[in-house]
Amino acid sequence: EPEVTQTPSHQVTQMGQEVILRCVPISNHLYFYWYRQILGQKVEFLVSFYNNEISEKSEIFDDQFSVERPDGSNFTLKIRSTKLEDSAMYFCASSERDSGLYNSPLHFGNGTRLTVT
Amino acid sequence: DAKTTQPTSMDCAEGRAANLPCNHSTISGNEYVYWYRQIHSQGPQYIIHGLKNNETNEMASLIITEDRKSSTLILPHATLRDTAVYYCIVREHSGGGADGLTFGKGTHLIIQP
Repeated sequence: EPEVTQTPSHQVTQMGQEVILRCVPISNHLYFYWYRQILGQKVEFLVSFYNNEISEKSEIFDDQFSVERPDGSNFTLKIRSTKLEDSAMYFCASSERDSGLYNSPLHFGNGTRLTVT
Repeated sequence: DAKTTQPTSMDCAEGRAANLPCNHSTISGNEYVYWYRQIHSQGPQYIIHGLKNNETNEMASLIITEDRKSSTLILPHATLRDTAVYYCIVREHSGGGADGLTFGKGTHLIIQP
């Protein structure tokens, strides 16, 4: 069964550094998402992306964050000047667009654990 | 999106059916009920979704009340690997496809041997 893959599984970085988290969505999917989960807390929506532009973003997704689909297969989340509070699991998800009003489910990867020291 | 209410935790014996309730009394006509689960340290896993009819797939069954104000996820023969946090999410289908999911705290289901 096709799946969303994320790399690396664990990233350690120093405060103030930039990190890029990578995702390969399911190949025929057109909608892409990033979520994060701080340890012990809820899964939080960050951003959705369609047709090479951001569709929706949350308050968390400020100027420190950016997303890109640099080629036909990868979807990346860049975090500039990381802070201690950016430490979290970051999940990528994708969904296929169905016709009409029927939205297909989101399928998630297993995440990248980001540790900022 | 409408808010959902779920019990914080539940236990179920291995091999028995696990019935997970969810209240969504403010659900509107174009909102679907989705169920996901999250096994420790993994990404959320899609289970099932429905609008008003009961649904069944290889993982579970979803029973939605006639007034759509509540639903129950049924795992017919629970195994130890079903221990996870289960999320009931109400999601509007706007047709655009880019609307994400709003996760609550979910129900921590513990399958007992």
